[in-house]
Amino acid sequence: AQTVTQSQPEMSVQEAETVTLSCTYDTSESDYYLFWYKQPPSRQMILVIRQEAYKQQNATENRFSVNFQKAAKSFSLKISDSQLGDAAMYFCAYSDYQLIWGAGTKLIIKP
Amino acid sequence: NAGVTQTPKFRVLKTGQSMTLLCAQDMNHEYMYWYRQDPGMGLRLIHYSVGEGTTAKGEVPDGYNVSRLKKQNFLLGLESAAPSQTSVYFCASSYARGGNGGELFFGEGSRLTVL
Repeated sequence: AQTVTQSQPEMSVQEAETVTLSCTYDTSESDYYLFWYKQPPSRQMILVIRQEAYKQQNATENRFSVNFQKAAKSFSLKISDSQLGDAAMYFCAYSDYQLIWGAGTKLIIKP
Repeated sequence: NAGVTQTPKFRVLKTGQSMTLLCAQDMNHEYMYWYRQDPGMGLRLIHYSVGEGTTAKGEVPDGYNVSRLKKQNFLLGLESAAPSQTSVYFCASSYARGGNGGELFFGEGSRLTVL
C-alpha cells in the first residue's frame, strides 16, 4: 500500500530565511501526483503546489518550489524568503487512484 | 464565491446522540469527500461521492453515514455518537477525482466533541 511520511513534526525558521520540509512516499506506481497543502490556523486547507510524476521539471509557485526525486521517492518543499503568513501545518499528499496524506509538519516562523 | 461551506462549525454531543454535518459547494464539482483530522494522523477519508446519488466508503467509514441527494450537498451523519468520533471534520470537493491529480477545495472544518 502507498504511504506518505513526513519525518519532521515541527520546523522553525527565521523570517526571510529559507526552509525545506521533507516528504517521502512509497509506491510501486509510475504515474501519480504529489501535492503540498497548507493549513493555517484558520484550519482551511489550501493547495500550495502540485507535481506530476512524469514531469522531470520541479514545480514552482512564487516562493514555493519542490525538489522531486522520483527514484528516491522524495518530494520536499522549499519555502524561500519565509514570511509570517507562511506559519501553518503543511501536508504532503500522494495520489494515483486514491489520495494518501502525510501526518503534517508544523512550520513556525520566528520574527 | 463561497466555495465549500460546512455547518455547523462547532458542536458538542453526548454519547449516543445523533447529528448531521452539512457540506455545500457552489463550484459544480462532481466529487465530494468527508475527512476527519486527528492530531498526528493527517487526514483520513471517511466517505466520498463521485456524483449525485452516489456514495462510497473510505478508509474509516464505521459509525458514519452519508447522503448526496443533490449535487451541491454532501451530508455526514453520526447515528450514535461515540467519544472516539471527537475530531475535526473536513469536507472537500473537486472537479476531477482527487486520486487522479485533481485539486481538492476544502471547507473550514467542523470541530465535534463527544462527551
